[in-house]
Amino acid sequence: SQKIEQNSEALNIQEGKTATLTCNYTNYSPAYLQWYRQDPGRGPVFLLLIRENEKEKRKERLKVTFDTTLKQSLFHITASQPADSATYLCALAKSGGATNKLIFGTGTLLAVQP
Amino acid sequence: SAVISQKPSRDICQRGTSLTIQCQVDSQVTMMFWYRQQPGQSLTLIATANQGSEATYESGFVIDKFPISRPNLTFSTLTVSNMSPEDSSIYLCSVEVRGGTELFGSGTQLSVL
Repeated sequence: SQKIEQNSEALNIQEGKTATLTCNYTNYSPAYLQWYRQDPGRGPVFLLLIRENEKEKRKERLKVTFDTTLKQSLFHITASQPADSATYLCALAKSGGATNKLIFGTGTLLAVQP
Repeated sequence: SAVISQKPSRDICQRGTSLTIQCQVDSQVTMMFWYRQQPGQSLTLIATANQGSEATYESGFVIDKFPISRPNLTFSTLTVSNMSPEDSSIYLCSVEVRGGTELFGSGTQLSVL
């Protein structure tokens, strides 16, 4: 079955630096991969989706890459701010079935220090 | 964009009792899901709530423990039955919006004593 691995340790960076988070998967390459942000006590919030035929996707200070050969996605936050501190989850569709049910990684906690 | 609300936001329950969690969305949606997020863990899909038919459960989850209702395209409930401390977790509903992305409720923090 599909497994997703994200850095389990927290990532601490200084304000203004670029944060880079990693998502690796082990099995089939999904049609698309998604990134979500989760704050304590809240549900995840969708950030970006990247398709298998896209190498890179950007949205404001966010950038996602998708390498189906390495089975890896990288999530970058440029010019990071303390308000970016949160847990970031990657998700991809389960195989089979008629619906695009998602499986989630364990998430990486990002702490941006002022 | 759709707005989703979930309640209760938190509850403390006694062992052996049941809790029903409600999820309401302000527009009709086809796909609605229920997840569990145990402390320090990621989200695990419990089931897909189907309108007009029985929910589709993932491996490791059964209807007797987690009965789900979906009476229409804007509402669903998840019941956690005969609770034990191992059921202490965050329970989340979500709906599929455009392109396979999901919009989540704010979650229900459940503590079982």
